[in-house]
Amino acid sequence: DVKVTQSSRYLVKRTGEKVFLECVQDMDHENMFWYRQDPGLGLRLIYFSYDVKMKEKGDIPEGYSVSREKKERFSLILESASTNQTSMYLCASSIRDSSSYEQYFGPGTRLTVT
Amino acid sequence: GQSLEQPSEVTAVEGAIVQINCTYQTSGFYGLSWYQQHDGGAPTFLSYNALDGLEETGRFSSFLSRSDSYGYLLLQELQMKDSASYFCASRDSNYQLIWGAGTKLIIKP
Repeated sequence: DVKVTQSSRYLVKRTGEKVFLECVQDMDHENMFWYRQDPGLGLRLIYFSYDVKMKEKGDIPEGYSVSREKKERFSLILESASTNQTSMYLCASSIRDSSSYEQYFGPGTRLTVT
Repeated sequence: GQSLEQPSEVTAVEGAIVQINCTYQTSGFYGLSWYQQHDGGAPTFLSYNALDGLEETGRFSSFLSRSDSYGYLLLQELQMKDSASYFCASRDSNYQLIWGAGTKLIIKP
Protein backbone atom coordinates (compact mmCIF):
# COMPACT_ATOMS: atom_id res chain seq x y z
CA ASP A 1 0.00 0.00 0.00
CA VAL A 2 1.07 3.52 -0.75
CA LYS A 3 1.85 5.42 2.37
CA VAL A 4 2.06 9.18 2.64
CA THR A 5 3.02 10.54 6.03
CA GLN A 6 3.02 14.09 7.33
CA SER A 7 5.17 15.25 10.18
CA SER A 8 2.40 16.54 12.44
CA ARG A 9 -1.37 16.11 12.76
CA TYR A 10 -1.82 19.31 14.73
CA LEU A 11 0.41 22.34 14.93
CA VAL A 12 0.03 25.67 16.71
CA LYS A 13 2.35 28.50 15.74
CA ARG A 14 2.58 32.21 16.43
CA THR A 15 2.27 34.95 13.84
CA GLY A 16 5.62 35.63 12.19
CA GLU A 17 7.13 32.23 12.93
CA LYS A 18 8.72 30.17 10.18
CA VAL A 19 6.84 26.89 9.83
CA PHE A 20 7.98 23.66 8.19
CA LEU A 21 5.55 20.96 7.14
CA GLU A 22 7.12 17.71 6.03
CA CYS A 23 5.68 15.03 3.77
CA VAL A 24 7.18 11.65 2.92
CA GLN A 25 5.89 9.02 0.49
CA ASP A 26 7.18 5.49 0.14
CA MET A 27 6.05 4.54 -3.38
CA ASP A 28 8.66 6.23 -5.54
CA HIS A 29 6.07 8.61 -6.98
CA GLU A 30 7.33 11.36 -9.24
CA ASN A 31 4.58 13.89 -8.43
CA MET A 32 4.04 15.45 -5.04
CA PHE A 33 1.53 18.13 -4.11
CA TRP A 34 0.68 20.48 -1.28
CA TYR A 35 -2.92 21.58 -0.85
CA ARG A 36 -4.75 23.61 1.71
CA GLN A 37 -8.35 22.87 2.51
CA ASP A 38 -10.78 25.35 3.98
CA PRO A 39 -14.53 24.85 4.55
CA GLY A 40 -16.55 25.41 1.40
CA LEU A 41 -13.47 25.96 -0.77
CA GLY A 42 -12.42 22.41 -1.53
CA LEU A 43 -8.76 21.63 -2.13
CA ARG A 44 -6.59 24.44 -3.39
CA LEU A 45 -3.18 23.66 -4.82
CA ILE A 46 -0.29 25.57 -3.27
CA TYR A 47 2.70 23.99 -5.02
CA PHE A 48 3.55 20.79 -6.76
CA SER A 49 6.71 19.04 -7.82
CA TYR A 50 7.19 16.50 -10.60
CA ASP A 51 10.83 15.70 -9.86
CA VAL A 52 13.62 16.28 -7.39
CA LYS A 53 14.51 19.97 -7.13
CA MET A 54 11.61 20.86 -9.46
CA LYS A 55 8.68 22.91 -8.28
CA GLU A 56 5.70 24.60 -9.87
CA LYS A 57 3.35 27.17 -8.39
CA GLY A 58 -0.23 26.16 -7.92
CA ASP A 59 -3.23 28.42 -7.48
CA ILE A 60 -2.27 30.03 -4.14
CA PRO A 61 1.55 30.07 -3.71
CA GLU A 62 1.79 33.45 -2.00
CA GLY A 63 3.32 33.23 1.45
CA TYR A 64 4.61 29.69 0.87
CA SER A 65 7.70 28.03 -0.50
CA VAL A 66 8.64 24.38 -1.02
CA SER A 67 11.67 22.16 -1.12
CA ARG A 68 12.21 18.79 -2.73
CA GLU A 69 15.76 17.61 -2.18
CA LYS A 70 14.88 13.90 -2.28
CA LYS A 71 12.27 12.11 -4.35
CA GLU A 72 10.35 10.84 -1.36
CA ARG A 73 10.22 14.09 0.60
CA PHE A 74 8.38 17.33 -0.14
CA SER A 75 8.44 20.15 2.38
CA LEU A 76 6.14 23.14 2.64
CA ILE A 77 7.52 26.26 4.27
CA LEU A 78 5.57 29.19 5.61
CA GLU A 79 8.19 31.92 5.67
CA SER A 80 6.33 34.12 8.16
CA ALA A 81 3.12 32.56 9.39
CA SER A 82 -0.01 34.69 9.41
CA THR A 83 -3.44 34.05 10.87
CA ASN A 84 -4.96 33.66 7.40
CA GLN A 85 -2.77 30.61 6.93
CA THR A 86 -4.69 28.76 9.61
CA SER A 87 -5.97 25.77 7.68
CA MET A 88 -5.77 22.04 7.01
CA TYR A 89 -2.71 21.21 4.89
CA LEU A 90 -2.77 18.05 2.82
CA CYS A 91 0.14 16.44 1.03
CA ALA A 92 -0.43 14.05 -1.86
CA SER A 93 1.60 12.04 -4.34
CA SER A 94 0.97 10.33 -7.66
CA ILE A 95 2.82 8.66 -10.48
CA ARG A 96 3.49 10.78 -13.52
CA ASP A 97 1.63 9.02 -16.28
CA SER A 98 -1.90 8.37 -17.43
CA SER A 99 -2.74 6.97 -13.99
CA SER A 100 -2.03 10.26 -12.27
CA TYR A 101 -5.78 10.75 -11.80
CA GLU A 102 -5.28 8.82 -8.55
CA GLN A 103 -3.56 10.83 -5.87
CA TYR A 104 -2.62 9.40 -2.49
CA PHE A 105 -3.03 11.68 0.46
CA GLY A 106 -1.39 11.98 3.82
CA PRO A 107 -3.53 12.40 6.97
CA GLY A 108 -3.21 16.17 6.93
CA THR A 109 -1.79 18.77 9.27
CA ARG A 110 -4.20 21.12 10.96
CA LEU A 111 -2.25 24.32 11.46
CA THR A 112 -3.43 27.08 13.75
CA VAL A 113 -1.61 30.41 13.66
CA THR A 114 -2.31 32.65 16.64
CA GLY B 1 -8.89 27.34 -17.52
CA GLN B 2 -10.81 24.57 -15.85
CA SER B 3 -13.62 24.53 -13.32
CA LEU B 4 -15.87 21.89 -11.84
CA GLU B 5 -19.27 22.52 -10.28
CA GLN B 6 -21.04 20.26 -7.84
CA PRO B 7 -23.81 20.82 -5.28
CA SER B 8 -22.61 21.87 -1.86
CA GLU B 9 -24.87 19.49 0.03
CA VAL B 10 -27.12 16.50 -0.63
CA THR B 11 -29.39 14.76 1.87
CA ALA B 12 -30.64 11.18 1.56
CA VAL B 13 -32.13 8.42 3.65
CA GLU B 14 -30.31 5.29 4.79
CA GLY B 15 -30.88 2.44 2.34
CA ALA B 16 -31.78 4.77 -0.52
CA ILE B 17 -29.91 5.75 -3.69
CA VAL B 18 -28.30 9.14 -4.18
CA GLN B 19 -26.68 10.83 -7.16
CA ILE B 20 -24.03 13.54 -6.88
CA ASN B 21 -23.58 15.55 -10.05
CA CYS B 22 -20.51 17.26 -11.44
CA THR B 23 -20.32 19.53 -14.46
CA TYR B 24 -17.01 20.70 -15.79
CA GLN B 25 -15.47 23.26 -18.10
CA THR B 26 -12.01 22.33 -19.28
CA SER B 27 -9.62 23.42 -21.99
CA GLY B 28 -8.55 19.80 -22.37
CA PHE B 29 -10.18 16.76 -20.81
CA TYR B 30 -8.33 13.74 -19.44
CA GLY B 31 -11.00 12.05 -17.39
CA LEU B 32 -13.04 12.55 -14.22
CA SER B 33 -12.15 11.17 -10.79
CA TRP B 34 -14.18 10.91 -7.61
CA TYR B 35 -12.85 11.06 -4.06
CA GLN B 36 -14.43 10.54 -0.66
CA GLN B 37 -13.42 12.42 2.45
CA HIS B 38 -14.76 11.75 5.92
CA ASP B 39 -14.68 14.55 8.48
CA GLY B 40 -11.15 14.89 9.80
CA GLY B 41 -9.80 12.42 7.27
CA ALA B 42 -7.87 12.56 4.03
CA PRO B 43 -9.47 12.25 0.59
CA THR B 44 -9.43 8.72 -0.78
CA PHE B 45 -9.85 7.72 -4.39
CA LEU B 46 -13.15 6.12 -5.39
CA SER B 47 -13.37 5.88 -9.16
CA TYR B 48 -12.26 7.23 -12.51
CA ASN B 49 -13.95 7.64 -15.89
CA ALA B 50 -11.90 8.31 -18.99
CA LEU B 51 -14.60 7.35 -21.47
CA ASP B 52 -18.36 7.79 -21.65
CA GLY B 53 -20.46 5.36 -19.69
CA LEU B 54 -20.88 3.80 -16.31
CA GLU B 55 -18.14 2.35 -14.10
CA GLU B 56 -19.33 0.20 -11.22
CA THR B 57 -17.45 -0.60 -8.04
CA GLY B 58 -19.66 -2.35 -5.53
CA ARG B 59 -22.31 0.01 -4.21
CA PHE B 60 -20.70 2.97 -5.96
CA SER B 61 -20.95 3.77 -9.66
CA SER B 62 -19.64 6.70 -11.66
CA PHE B 63 -20.91 7.95 -14.97
CA LEU B 64 -19.44 10.25 -17.59
CA SER B 65 -20.85 12.01 -20.63
CA ARG B 66 -18.09 13.93 -22.40
CA SER B 67 -20.50 15.48 -24.89
CA ASP B 68 -22.43 17.03 -22.00
CA SER B 69 -19.33 17.80 -19.88
CA TYR B 70 -21.10 16.04 -17.07
CA GLY B 71 -20.59 13.20 -14.69
CA TYR B 72 -22.13 11.80 -11.56
CA LEU B 73 -21.41 9.52 -8.66
CA LEU B 74 -24.18 7.11 -7.72
CA LEU B 75 -24.29 5.59 -4.27
CA GLN B 76 -26.70 2.70 -3.69
CA GLU B 77 -27.96 1.07 -0.50
CA LEU B 78 -26.76 4.04 1.48
CA GLN B 79 -25.19 3.34 4.84
CA MET B 80 -24.53 5.80 7.64
CA LYS B 81 -20.79 5.35 7.06
CA ASP B 82 -21.25 6.88 3.59
CA SER B 83 -21.79 10.26 5.28
CA ALA B 84 -18.84 12.21 3.95
CA SER B 85 -17.84 14.83 1.43
CA TYR B 86 -17.44 13.76 -2.17
CA PHE B 87 -15.21 15.56 -4.65
CA CYS B 88 -15.03 15.33 -8.41
CA ALA B 89 -11.68 16.15 -9.99
CA SER B 90 -10.40 16.41 -13.52
CA ARG B 91 -6.80 15.82 -14.57
CA ASP B 92 -5.09 18.44 -16.66
CA SER B 93 -2.30 18.12 -19.21
CA ASN B 94 0.34 18.61 -16.51
CA TYR B 95 -0.85 15.65 -14.42
CA GLN B 96 -2.45 17.91 -11.82
CA LEU B 97 -5.99 17.47 -10.56
CA ILE B 98 -8.48 20.32 -10.71
CA TRP B 99 -11.01 19.89 -7.90
CA GLY B 100 -14.65 20.68 -7.40
CA ALA B 101 -15.56 22.34 -4.10
CA GLY B 102 -17.07 19.11 -2.76
CA THR B 103 -20.55 17.84 -1.92
CA LYS B 104 -21.41 17.05 1.67
CA LEU B 105 -23.62 13.98 1.81
CA ILE B 106 -25.92 13.88 4.82
CA ILE B 107 -27.63 10.56 5.50
CA LYS B 108 -30.67 10.36 7.73
CA PRO B 109 -31.79 7.16 9.41
